[in-house]
Order: sequence, then structure tokens, then C-alpha cells
Amino acid sequence: EVQLVESGGGLVQPGGSLRLSCAASGFTVSSNYMSWVRQAPGKGLEWVSALYTAGTTYYADSVRGRFTISRDNSKNTLYLQMNSLRAEDTAVYFCARDKGFCANGECYAHNWFDPWGQGTLVTVSS
Amino acid sequence: EIVMTQSPATLSVSPGERATLSCRASQSAASFLAWYQQKPGQAPRLLIHTSSTRATGVPARFSGSGSGTDFTLTINGLQSEDFAVYYCQQYNDWPLTFGGGTKVEIK
Repeated sequence: EVQLVESGGGLVQPGGSLRLSCAASGFTVSSNYMSWVRQAPGKGLEWVSALYTAGTTYYADSVRGRFTISRDNSKNTLYLQMNSLRAEDTAVYFCARDKGFCANGECYAHNWFDPWGQGTLVTVSS
Repeated sequence: EIVMTQSPATLSVSPGERATLSCRASQSAASFLAWYQQKPGQAPRLLIHTSSTRATGVPARFSGSGSGTDFTLTINGLQSEDFAVYYCQQYNDWPLTFGGGTKVEIK
């Protein structure tokens, strides 16, 4: 069964740092296109960052330069290092898989997400 | 950035009736449009991708249509488990963007 389990959320002061983890089972993180998506309390969804199979990374403007997405292949885990945190970063952070597709010997991301983890809450407050 | 606008914000529907949800893109998303369902306290669940392709295990009462800037999610014969918030997402361009959501509530 494909499963994603996030951890690492919590309360942090403005300007602080936090590292989120997303442990995957049932598939290999490095062979998939992975993303982080967040949801502020009572609000909609906001894509945050993506990590492609070849190592290419993408970031939303709101987090570029502050957040870093990475993976540990030996642990089959995706990470999000969050620095210089702001109150507006308060949200539930979901990791999500995009298994992509291959055609004519090349593989590509779909950029839609299935499945998602259950999320981990990050609260930035003094 | 492609801005996604969903309407209405809230839709009141009786069980067994049809719900029609709209999603409009500020510029063309081609057919690179996905729909997700989210229930309280849960993660989003993929329903539709590529505008009209149902994800694995999604009931046939869910259907998607549209291309370019106008998209529709239709739910025929609403069942109790369908009352939730629905989000559209474009993946035609970076950054990937979501609509603000439509809450489908029991009338």
C-alpha cells in the first residue's frame, strides 16, 4: 500500500527553523516526483515545493530562498527544511506523490498529486 | 501566475441531486486541470486529472469537463459521503496553483 507519513511539525518562533519529514512506504521516493503543499487554518491549498526524480527543484515565490526540499534515498524520506519562518507560514503541510509517466524513453511529471499524506501542523508564533 | 477562481464558494444541494462546480483560470490551463475532494480533518483526495479523467477508484457519478480557461466538475446523484470541499488545480505552468475551493453542503 502506498503511504505517506509526515512529521516534524510544531510551534516555532518567528525567524526560527523547522525540518519536516515525509516517510514513504509502498513506493520509492527517488523514482517519483514529490511535492509539499500547505493549507493555512481554514484556508485553501497552496503548492510550496517540488522535487523531481533527476533532482530538479521548484519553489513557490513565497518560500524561495527560505525553504529547501530534499530527500534521503536510504531512508525513502522527503524533507522540507524551513528557515526564517514567518507567521504566514503557519499551516498544515502535506507531502504528496506524483508518479509521473514515461513515453518514448523519457519520463515526465504529471504535476497532479495522488496520494497525499495526512499532514503536519506548523505554527509560527511568539 | 495562473490564478484559479472557483464558484460558487458554497453550494447547497439535496442528497440525490446534481452539483455543478465551476473553476476558471486567468489564462489558459489547456487540459492540465485536476480536481480534489477534501473532508474535514483529512488530506485532499484526487478525483479527476487532465480535466476529465477519473482517478482510480473514483465513482462514475463524478465527471469533469472543460479546457482552456473554463472547467466544470459535475457530481450526479449526490451521496452523503460527497459533502465536502472541492479544489481545482492547474498544472499547465509554474507555479502550480489551486482554486479557493467550493464547499458542497447538505440543503
